[in-house]
Amino acid sequence: NAGVTQTPKFQVLKTGQSMTLQCAQDMNHEYMSWYRQDPGMGLRLIHYSVGAGITDQGEVPNGYNVSRSTTEDFPLRLLSAAPSQTSVYFCASTRLAGGRTDTQYFGPGTRLTVL
Amino acid sequence: DQQVKQNSPSLSVQEGRISILNCDYTNSMFDYFLWYKKYPAEGPTFLISISSIKDKNEDGRFTVFLNKSAKHLSLHIVPSQPGDSAVYFCAASAYFNKFYFGSGTKLNVKP
Repeated sequence: NAGVTQTPKFQVLKTGQSMTLQCAQDMNHEYMSWYRQDPGMGLRLIHYSVGAGITDQGEVPNGYNVSRSTTEDFPLRLLSAAPSQTSVYFCASTRLAGGRTDTQYFGPGTRLTVL
Repeated sequence: DQQVKQNSPSLSVQEGRISILNCDYTNSMFDYFLWYKKYPAEGPTFLISISSIKDKNEDGRFTVFLNKSAKHLSLHIVPSQPGDSAVYFCAASAYFNKFYFGSGTKLNVKP
């Protein structure tokens, strides 16, 4: 199993550009989520999904879109990049056990810089 | 406002001694707590968890204690090893399954 994979590892954008961060998992996990990590802030939840076709907002959803058309993939779209979105982005997945989430498996992260 | 707080950004401990990492939370609805370990340029990896129906959970050298009345949890590592040097995050979730993370504590275990 590859676990949770993220592409790209690094990305530099100009303000106003759009892009999609890719996330895939091969563990057949129902629950997937996106976090951003900023210095002194820990990880903050952007969006999450409990299954294909179902997504919901986390703590910091503004400026980001997600969709979940398959169990395996959960892409994160930046609509119009802003310098405040400079961060490290982590995707995570977990199985749902009895309707609750188990421990999460994280991808290696995408380091995004917006100029 | 952060619902999960780790007030110590860093901790330095001698090899073989105990490391105690602390975490406080404000939301009384949280019923599941986790600790993650993170090395530079890698994603966090799960370490240990505890449900709110327990006050202690052990896994080898790692023990998590939960004090619900104080809304406080701690991670004890005994004995500490240089390979334990990393950033440790605590996280909490409630029924609706959103996870809230603390800002992390950087542990340095000196040989």
